[in-house]
Amino acid sequence: DVKVTQSSRYLVKRTGEKVFLECVQDMDHENMFWYRQDPGLGLRLIYFSYDVKMKEKGDIPEGYSVSREKKERFSLILESASTNQTSMYLCASSFNPGRMNTEAFFGQGTRLTVV
Amino acid sequence: AQSVTQLGSHVSVSEGALVLLRCNYSSSVPPYLFWYVQYPNQGLQLLLKYTSAATLVKGINGFEAEFKKSETSFHLTKPSAHMSDAAEYFCAVSVRSGGYNKLIFGAGTRLAVHP
Repeated sequence: DVKVTQSSRYLVKRTGEKVFLECVQDMDHENMFWYRQDPGLGLRLIYFSYDVKMKEKGDIPEGYSVSREKKERFSLILESASTNQTSMYLCASSFNPGRMNTEAFFGQGTRLTVV
Repeated sequence: AQSVTQLGSHVSVSEGALVLLRCNYSSSVPPYLFWYVQYPNQGLQLLLKYTSAATLVKGINGFEAEFKKSETSFHLTKPSAHMSDAAEYFCAVSVRSGGYNKLIFGAGTRLAVHP
């Protein structure tokens, strides 16, 4: 089974802190994604990566950056955390970026609270 | 731009009743559609996906969805609800972006099942 592991289930950080959310997948997937989930808004794509050191902005990249130094690991960075970044963050991965019918596999999510 | 709209943010059914969760898509090309389920405090799990091989798609846990091009719909159904079906359900469409595919999600429908 595909496993996508997020390093923390719950995090509490202070405003202005630099925050790192880590994600690791074990299926050699090319694609990796970071979404944030908010009530009534569904999942919104922050960034995605289709290869090592490659990244693309999603729909809401402001205030975030990402790093992909190894194929299995994709990190989301909040440069200076703010209270409006309090949310559930979901990492996902998928195989074969050239096929449209490929599903994504999700981690358990990290619930981040910024105080 | 391709998108999905889920009608009804909350649906409540009795145990044993029919479950119907609605999803309409907007796409100028044949869409690749997915339904995911999220149980409390967990990540998303794939229920089923439409890939144009058949209009009626069967998924896990007794769920199925029918693709209707004339109605631009991909509604999710289950003949008889079980208490364990209580969760949030997301419809998604695969879109092409800069040569790569990514999933765009609807806002979600929370299903409540009461005795």
